[in-house]
Amino acid sequence: TAGITQAPTSQILAAGRSMTLRCTQDMRHNAMYWYRQDLGLGLRLIHYSNTAGTTGKGEVPDGYSVSRANTDDFPLTLASAVPSQTSVYFCASSGEGGSTDTQYFGPGTRLTVL
Amino acid sequence: GQNIDQPTEMTATEGAIVQINCTYQTSGFNGLFWYQQHAGEAPTFLSYNVLDGLEEKGRFSSFLSRSKGYSYLLLKELQMKDSASYLCAVTDSNYQLIWGAGTKLIIKP
Repeated sequence: TAGITQAPTSQILAAGRSMTLRCTQDMRHNAMYWYRQDLGLGLRLIHYSNTAGTTGKGEVPDGYSVSRANTDDFPLTLASAVPSQTSVYFCASSGEGGSTDTQYFGPGTRLTVL
Repeated sequence: GQNIDQPTEMTATEGAIVQINCTYQTSGFNGLFWYQQHAGEAPTFLSYNVLDGLEEKGRFSSFLSRSKGYSYLLLKELQMKDSASYLCAVTDSNYQLIWGAGTKLIIKP
């Protein structure tokens, strides 16, 4: 079982360029999440989706956008990357949003913006 | 504001016992999670506590005191593979997960 996959594994991006990080889950989970993880800080929620067709802003949404056209996919787009967006990005999913369901994480994408 | 505090780093000896503490101040409480994260990998679920008391799962146990805003993760019979970061996270009143920065556990032979 694949669980959650993310692509690419890592990327170096020039500042000002756009990029989409891909996330796909095969667990038929309703809720999906995007986090960034920076050294010395806890995981910070960027955007989330409690069900297909809906999205919401997390703690640090500026500079990022998401869409949730179907249950399985939840891409994260950086419209114009800046160096402060250098981070490790994790996608996660859970059975239900707005609940205490356990979140399961993808392997992460390491992004460097120069 | 919302805050989760954990020690930054701890060191323990193979075969020993270690306790990793977590204190929290959040807007509401709907449960506390512990995750394990090996270097360069994704966090993986370890335990969930919503009621006061101890939850035991093999070599790992997790304790919660809601009145004190406190939890700990207890790891027994430490193995080298337990070297990892341990993340404490609290579900707040909006059912958002608030994460601590994690405790890096170093196991020495």
